[in-house]
Amino acid sequence: DVKVTQSSRYLVKRTGEKVFLECVQDMDHENMFWYRQDPGLGLRLIYFSYDVKMKEKGDIPEGYSVSREKKERFSLILESASTNQTSMYLCASSLWEGVSGYTFGSGTRLTVV
Amino acid sequence: DAKTTQPPSMDCAEGRAANLPCNHSTISGNEYVYWYRQIHSQGPQYIIHGLKNNETNEMASLIITEDRKSSTLILPHATLRDTAVYYCIVRVAYGNKLVFGAGTILRVKS
Repeated sequence: DVKVTQSSRYLVKRTGEKVFLECVQDMDHENMFWYRQDPGLGLRLIYFSYDVKMKEKGDIPEGYSVSREKKERFSLILESASTNQTSMYLCASSLWEGVSGYTFGSGTRLTVV
Repeated sequence: DAKTTQPPSMDCAEGRAANLPCNHSTISGNEYVYWYRQIHSQGPQYIIHGLKNNETNEMASLIITEDRKSSTLILPHATLRDTAVYYCIVRVAYGNKLVFGAGTILRVKS
């Protein structure tokens, strides 16, 4: 069963910590995405990548960076976590051709205290 | 990508068909209609997509009007497990970004 796996389901970090959220897909997809989801604001795109070492800013990239050193892995980095980054983080992947659907992971609920 | 309008919530009796509408009056010729759903505390799940013709798969049917300005997702025999937020999204095929709106909360009741 093909899937997108996010390394942690729940995470609690302290303000100012550097946080790594990892996402791995086993479908040989070219595109990978990071979204965050907050009540009343829906899903918002943070960053995406369409190839190894390539990245594009989404709608809310401030305070985040990403890394894609291998095709199957896409990491989201919070350089200095803040309380307003408490959220559900969702990773997704898709084929380059874009017509087929996205596959999402189960999400990481991050709490910054 | 064109904007979509969906009702905020709908109820459906278990075993009945659930018909979820979506308006996309500004859709352009190369834009597809996609449907996803999100069950509580899970990531969104792809359901179906279409361009002009009606589509059916093991999960649902998608009916697109001839002028393509609206569509309906049909779950033929809704179950309690179909309770979720359903998102209608319009985008070009080659676009990388999937932009989610507020969606429709579907409550299936016994």
